[in-house]
Amino acid sequence: DGGITQSPKYLFRKEGQNVTLSCEQNLNHDAMYWYRQDPGQGLRLIYYSQIVNDFQKGDIAEGYSVSREKKESFPLTVTSAQKNPTAFYLCASSTDRAGQPQHFGDGTRLSIL
Amino acid sequence: AQKVTQAQTEISVVEKEDVTLDCVYETRDTTYYLFWYKQPPSGELVFLIRRNSFDEQNEISGRYSWNFQKSTSSFNFTITASQVVDSAVYFCALSGLYYGGSQGNLIFGKGTKLSVKP
Repeated sequence: DGGITQSPKYLFRKEGQNVTLSCEQNLNHDAMYWYRQDPGQGLRLIYYSQIVNDFQKGDIAEGYSVSREKKESFPLTVTSAQKNPTAFYLCASSTDRAGQPQHFGDGTRLSIL
Repeated sequence: AQKVTQAQTEISVVEKEDVTLDCVYETRDTTYYLFWYKQPPSGELVFLIRRNSFDEQNEISGRYSWNFQKSTSSFNFTITASQVVDSAVYFCALSGLYYGGSQGNLIFGKGTKLSVKP
């Protein structure tokens, strides 16, 4: 089945630790996105990538990093510089043409130990 | 600036009631797209509908219907005869041709949490 796979479903981070969230898609989509969701805040864009080896900061990129070495993969690293990382993280992909819907993974819930 | 407002934070209804979720948007684009997504308790966002700015026809899909009115910048979503399985957070989103450097970027409202009680 075509879709987006995020792993792990739950992740715990210790103080001062970097953690990486995985996102893989087999939809052959050019664009991929990372969002952060906090209760009552909706979705906020962290980073997006329109093409391999290129990515752009979203609205809340500080404390996060990404890479796009393959079209199918867009991992997100939550660094120790992100002081409030507890949230639900959603990855999405699209064909990056105007009006095309984004397709979402099941999300990763990150908590602080 | 582009913005999506979902003024209803939470709505609670009893099964079989009709319910309307409001969405108001702001944009300077003449060509834009509006979306509705459903987020059930499991967490993933499920795409429900897309509407472009040139198509003001209302759409009905089973118990779901959407009313797009450019004059009031609104794209409201109605669920007829609600069911417990409709309980979820619903997001309205907007994309324009020139926002944020990517045609695919979406601006989301903060969502409306719908609870349907048996």
